[in-house]
Amino acid sequence: ETGVTQSPTHLIKTRGQQVTLRCSSQSGHNTVSWYQQALGQGPQFIFQYYREEENGRGNFPPRFSGLQFPNYSSELNVNALELDDSALYLCASSPEGGPSYNEQFFGPGTRLTVL
Amino acid sequence: DAKTTQPTSMDCAEGRAANLPCNHSTISGNEYVYWYRQIHSQGPQYIIHGLKNNETNEMASLIITEDRKSSTLILPHATLRDTAVYYCIVIKAAGNKLTFGGGTRVLVKP
Repeated sequence: ETGVTQSPTHLIKTRGQQVTLRCSSQSGHNTVSWYQQALGQGPQFIFQYYREEENGRGNFPPRFSGLQFPNYSSELNVNALELDDSALYLCASSPEGGPSYNEQFFGPGTRLTVL
Repeated sequence: DAKTTQPTSMDCAEGRAANLPCNHSTISGNEYVYWYRQIHSQGPQYIIHGLKNNETNEMASLIITEDRKSSTLILPHATLRDTAVYYCIVIKAAGNKLTFGGGTRVLVKP
C-alpha cells in the first residue's frame, strides 16, 4: 500500500510568482485535504476535495485554489505569492464516510520559501 | 467544532507511561475526540479517536471522562521515538477539517 506522496519536497519562489504543489493520495482514498503549517504553529486547513469537487474551505483567500483529478490526486495552486505564504504545505487523504473520514493520512509536506 | 486546551509542553522518562491531558469542556454530543502527533519534519500521524468509551490500539490508549469534558492520551511505554508534538482535536463525525491548536510538545528523555 503506497502512502501519501507530495512533490516537490522543497521549493523557493519570489514574491508575486505562482506555484503548483502536487499530492498523490493513498490507494483507495477519494478525499484530499490541504493544510498550511507556518513555523512553530499547528497546521491550518486550506480546503478539501471529495470526488473532484471542493468540499469545504478554510479562511484562505481565492488566490489559493485547488484541483482533484479522476485518480484522486490533487494540486494546490497559489497565485501572487506573498512572503507570509512561506510554510510547510501538507496534503492528507482519507477514506469516505463515518468517523474514519477524519483519520487523515498525511504526506511529508512541501516546504515553500518565498523570497 | 469544540475548542481544546492542552499543556504547552511536558517531559517524560523513557520506558515510563506518558499521560497527555486535553480539556474540551464545550464538546457536544456528536463530536469525537481525535489525537494526532507530529514528529519533527514529518506530517501529522493519526493515533487514536473515541466518542465516549475508552479506546486502545497498538499505539496508545484514550481515556475520556464520563462527562466528556476532558480526555487523556496514554503512551504506555514511551520511547525516544515518541518525542513529538501531540494534538488533541474535537470534530464531528461528518466534519471535513481538522482544527489543530498548539498541541503539547512531548520530550522523551533517556
